[in-house]
Amino acid sequence: DVKVTQSSRYLVKRTGEKVFLECVQDMDHENMFWYRQDPGLGLRLIYFSYDVKMKEKGDIPEGYSVSREKKERFSLILESASTNQTSMYLCASSQETSGGTDTQYFGPGTRLTVL
Amino acid sequence: AQKVTQAQTEISVVEKEDVTLDCVYETRDTTYYLFWYKQPPSGELVFLIRRNSFDEQNEISGRYSWNFQKSTSSFNFTITASQVVDSAVYFCALSHNNAGNMLTFGGGTRLMVKP
Repeated sequence: DVKVTQSSRYLVKRTGEKVFLECVQDMDHENMFWYRQDPGLGLRLIYFSYDVKMKEKGDIPEGYSVSREKKERFSLILESASTNQTSMYLCASSQETSGGTDTQYFGPGTRLTVL
Repeated sequence: AQKVTQAQTEISVVEKEDVTLDCVYETRDTTYYLFWYKQPPSGELVFLIRRNSFDEQNEISGRYSWNFQKSTSSFNFTITASQVVDSAVYFCALSHNNAGNMLTFGGGTRLMVKP
């Protein structure tokens, strides 16, 4: 079974703090993704990575950065947390398949509250 | 641009009723994939099905069935004889035909099954 884990289920931070969200997958997947989920808006892609040290902006990258130093680990960084970044953050991974799309598998999510 | 619309934000049914969750998509790609995910109260998105654009056969898996109609750009999901454990948020998603296998998600439909 694919396993995607996230470092915290719940996190409370203060405005202006630097926040790290960690994601680890154990299936040797090439692709990894960070989404945020807000009521009524579904999942919106923040960043994704298709290889180590490679990253691409998603739909809402502003205020976020990412790091992928190892294939199994993808970190989301909030350089200076703000209250509008209070949300559920979901990490996913998938295998890269030529000519097709492989399924994304998700972690349990981190509910971040910024006070 | 890719877009996925789940017009039903919330549906409430009584156990054993059948329920259909609608999904309408927009894409200019000729090859694409459609997905359904379930998000129970625990928060983790669970993969349910993947369908490619060349396969319009309906799919049945136990009490779940999916109706893919390319002519109307719809990929609807029916639960037969619903159960309380089916209560969750359900997301429909559409793949991008590019590197990284990005997905565009609909806003989700919250299904509440009452005993």
